[in-house]
Amino acid sequence: DVKVTQSSRYLVKRTGEKVFLECVQDMDHENMFWYRQDPGLGLRLIYFSYDVKMKEKGDIPEGYSVSREKKERFSLILESASTNQTSMYLCASSLRHGDEIGELFFGEGSRLTVL
Amino acid sequence: AQSVSQHNHHVILSEAASLELGCNYSYGGTVNLFWYVQYPGQHLQLLLKYFSGDPLVKGIKGFEAEFIKSKFSFNLRKPSVQWSDTAEYFCAVNPLLTGGSYIPTFGRGTSLIVHP
Repeated sequence: DVKVTQSSRYLVKRTGEKVFLECVQDMDHENMFWYRQDPGLGLRLIYFSYDVKMKEKGDIPEGYSVSREKKERFSLILESASTNQTSMYLCASSLRHGDEIGELFFGEGSRLTVL
Repeated sequence: AQSVSQHNHHVILSEAASLELGCNYSYGGTVNLFWYVQYPGQHLQLLLKYFSGDPLVKGIKGFEAEFIKSKFSFNLRKPSVQWSDTAEYFCAVNPLLTGGSYIPTFGRGTSLIVHP
């Protein structure tokens, strides 16, 4: 089974702190994604990466950055956390078939609260 | 930008009732279509997918979905729901964008509660 592991299930941070959310997948997937999930808004794409050191902005990249130094690891960084970044963050990975992205495999999520 | 609309935000049914959840997308090109499910306390997982071929696709746990290209729709159905189907359901579309990248876009989700 594909496993996507997010390092922290629950985090509480203060406004202005730097926050790192780590995600590791064990199936050699090319694509990795970071979404945030908010009630009534569904999943919104923050960033995705289709290869090591490659990244593309999603729908809501403001206030976030990402890092993909190794194929299996995709990190989401909040340089200066704000209260409106309180949310559930979901990491996902998928295979890439040519120009097609396959089904997404999700981690269990990281619930971040910014005070 | 492409968008995905799920018409029903909250659905409450009794066991054995039939279910249909609507999903429409706004992209005229080639798409791959998915339904994902999130059971309480669990991570999102794939329910079913459509890439090509027969527009009626069957997934896990008795779910099926029909792709109607002319209506830009991919509605999810189940003839008889069970209490264990209580979950949040997300429709997702992978369109082929300029430059050859498919970027998955999700609907806002439908919360289904099934009463025993």
